[in-house]
Amino acid sequence: QSALTQPASVSGSPGQSITISCTGTSSDVGSYNLVSWYQQHPGKAPKLMIYEGSKRPSGVSNRFSGSKSGNTASLTISGLQAEDEANYYCCSYAGSSTWVFGGGTKLTVL
Amino acid sequence: QVQLQESGPGLVKPSETLSLTCTVSGGSMSSYYWSWIRQPPGKGLEWIGYVYYTGSTNYNPSLKSRVTISVDTSKTQFSLKLSSVTAADTAVYYCARGVSGPGVFDYWGLGTLVTVSS
Repeated sequence: QSALTQPASVSGSPGQSITISCTGTSSDVGSYNLVSWYQQHPGKAPKLMIYEGSKRPSGVSNRFSGSKSGNTASLTISGLQAEDEANYYCCSYAGSSTWVFGGGTKLTVL
Repeated sequence: QVQLQESGPGLVKPSETLSLTCTVSGGSMSSYYWSWIRQPPGKGLEWIGYVYYTGSTNYNPSLKSRVTISVDTSKTQFSLKLSSVTAADTAVYYCARGVSGPGVFDYWGLGTLVTVSS
């Protein structure tokens, strides 16, 4: 069970859109529509932003959206805001009732 | 509002057992999965394992030989024991609730830093 692969960092200007990728294998991301995304500000606990690939919990802005193609899941943030600057982690079901996180992506709002 | 709070020693000696408890308030433990997740300083998240409210468990294969997670619904608590710790187990340990499946963590504790050092 290896960690999912995310870019170490992405950046964008306010108002722009960015996409963070999360690449796994046919044993995890590719086989199940069970990817979730978490936002973590420094020193804080993670916050659920997307689950089951593209569903948003109540209270999460519709600027956040999720998708999947093959073994890669993606998180897109549109209308980038300063408060979106944080670390983002994907998490996928990996079979046999186990779960695996990605390495994390630091989003910088320029 | 559901709240989770981790508690336990902040310092553990190498080769000893790390023990943490998560106390759940503001909601029932029934029908949910209860997980432990850790984050070494400056690094990413690692899923440790979960316990269902019925007591059934599952663990990260890389930690399985050293981990035990248990639940006490009468106290609305669940616990983590990690044996034979080394410096590599130094991390912030979070407890979290799993909804819509064990891997969808909608409520988290604030986290507690556990340092392994003599």
